[in-house]
Amino acid sequence: DAGITQSPRHKVTETGTPVTLRCHQTENHRYMYWYRQDPGHGLRLIHYSYGVKDTDKGEVSDGYSVSRSKTEDFLLTLESATSSQTSVYFCAISLTDQETQYFGPGTRLLVL
Amino acid sequence: GDSVTQMEGPVTLSEEAFLTINCTYTATGYPSLFWYVQYPGEGLQLLLKATKADDKGSNKGFEATYRKETTSFHLEKGSVQVSDSAVYFCALSSKYGNKLVFGAGTILRVKS
Repeated sequence: DAGITQSPRHKVTETGTPVTLRCHQTENHRYMYWYRQDPGHGLRLIHYSYGVKDTDKGEVSDGYSVSRSKTEDFLLTLESATSSQTSVYFCAISLTDQETQYFGPGTRLLVL
Repeated sequence: GDSVTQMEGPVTLSEEAFLTINCTYTATGYPSLFWYVQYPGEGLQLLLKATKADDKGSNKGFEATYRKETTSFHLEKGSVQVSDSAVYFCALSSKYGNKLVFGAGTILRVKS
């Protein structure tokens, strides 16, 4: 299994509070991704990174920001959480943009 | 834009039954195609993939053939087991980008 961890694994928060999710990899892969999983939608890309300090938006980026200051860490921040951001969040990594993506175990976020 | 359509579930089968999960896609260019599996409480794992027309991906008794003429990548297994119960996602990766586009997922339940 690819060395990908996500923290926290579960979080409950209140509307309007900031939340940061962390993805950590030990594989030295250049590309990292954040997805959200919702019933009926599969997984949808939020943001991705193609190197340290290099990030770009995905399909559902509104309300989210990301940062990557080190190869191994990719942070996803909800500046002011809303109930519509209740979801399961998955991090993924890949060696290049054409290689297979490997997924972390997920973070279950509930915004009350 | 690119999209993936999967048959709706849940699919409920008896052990040793034949499995087919349909997947069709719309994409510009010639995408790579994937099947990912998600077991309860876990992240996604790559099950198999195909990168060009007529390629057959296979793993753990599962197979799927990349059919360009019908834009399909149906997943099949000759004899399912209870341990195959999971959610199966079809996905594509455009040759011109590094983003995975997922179908909505199909829940498979196998009864003993």
